[in-house]
Amino acid sequence: DVKVTQSSRYLVKRTGEKVFLECVQDMDHENMFWYRQDPGLGLRLIYFSYDVKMKEKGDIPEGYSVSREKKERFSLILESASTNQTSMYLCASSPPRGRALGEQFFGPGTRLTVL
Amino acid sequence: AQTVTQSQPEMSVQEAETVTLSCTYDTSENNYYLFWYKQPPSRQMILVIRQEAYKQQNATENRFSVNFQKAAKSFSLKISDSQLGDTAMYFCALEGSNYQLIWGAGTKLIIKP
Repeated sequence: DVKVTQSSRYLVKRTGEKVFLECVQDMDHENMFWYRQDPGLGLRLIYFSYDVKMKEKGDIPEGYSVSREKKERFSLILESASTNQTSMYLCASSPPRGRALGEQFFGPGTRLTVL
Repeated sequence: AQTVTQSQPEMSVQEAETVTLSCTYDTSENNYYLFWYKQPPSRQMILVIRQEAYKQQNATENRFSVNFQKAAKSFSLKISDSQLGDTAMYFCALEGSNYQLIWGAGTKLIIKP
């Protein structure tokens, strides 16, 4: 089974802190994604990566950056956390893109609270 | 722009009943994929069912089936013989033109004993 793990289930940080969210997948997937999930808004894509050292902006990249130094690890960085970044953060991975697939595999999520 | 709309924020049914969750979408693509994902309370999001737009036959997975109407851009999920373990948030998603997923707002489904 594909396993996607995230470094923390719950995290509380203060405004202005630099925050690192880590995601690791064990299935050698090329594609990795970071979403934030807010009630009534569904999932919104922050950043994604199709390969090591590759990154692409999603729909809401402002205030975030990412790092992918190794294939299995995709990190989300909040350079200076703000209260409006309080949310559930979901990491996902998927195999190389083929039209017959499309499934993404998700981690358990990190619920981040910024005070 | 590609969009996905789930108009039912919350639904509840009795155990063993059948329930249908609605989803409409908009895309200019002719070939694409549609998905229903399930997120149980405090658990990971998992894929429930997938439909390929060029296939006319509706996808089924055990108690889960879809009613895919391409012309109407409608993609509803039917859960038969609902069980307590079906309680979850359900998200409809559309594969975008660049292979990313576009998500609906979700429907919270509660199965009552």
